[in-house]
Amino acid sequence: DVKVTQSSRYLVKRTGEKVFLECVQDMDHENMFWYRQDPGLGLRLIYFSYDVKMKEKGDIPEGYSVSREKKERFSLILESASTNQTSMYLCASSLYTDTQYFGPGTRLTVL
Amino acid sequence: EDQVTQSPEALRLQEGESSSLNCSYTVSGLRGLFWYRQDPGKGPEFLFTLYSAGEEKEKERLKATLTKKESFLHITAPKPEDSATYLCAVRYNNNDMRFGAGTRLTVKP
Repeated sequence: DVKVTQSSRYLVKRTGEKVFLECVQDMDHENMFWYRQDPGLGLRLIYFSYDVKMKEKGDIPEGYSVSREKKERFSLILESASTNQTSMYLCASSLYTDTQYFGPGTRLTVL
Repeated sequence: EDQVTQSPEALRLQEGESSSLNCSYTVSGLRGLFWYRQDPGKGPEFLFTLYSAGEEKEKERLKATLTKKESFLHITAPKPEDSATYLCAVRYNNNDMRFGAGTRLTVKP
């Protein structure tokens, strides 16, 4: 079974803080993705990576950056958290362009 | 822009009352259509992938079908534990993946 884990289920941060969200997959997948999910807006792609040290912007990359130093790990960074970044963050991985498998999500609240 | 539309937004059924959820997409080169189930506060759980019109997949009380412009998720004799949000996603030829907003299903005992 594919296993995608995320470092925190719930996170509360203050405006202006630097926030790191970590994602690890154990299936040797090339592709990894970060989404945010908001009520009524569905899943929106922030960034994705198709190889180590490679990254591509998704639909809403502003205010975010990513890091992929190892194949199994993909980090999402909020350089200076703002209240409009309060959301559910979902990490996913896939083998090439096949099915994406999701982690449990991190519910981030920025005060 | 490629779009994925799910209907209805919410559906309430009595236990045992069969129904269908719809996912329609703009026709611009489909590479795959994916169905997921998402429970509150959790990540989406993969259910099915469909690749071509006419294809069908089944799992327990769920059956997914695909035509050239839409997919249906049929739920036969649902149980309360089938209550969840069901998400549809489409991968297009340019490798873009688009998600629908989901259908929130509630099954009452």
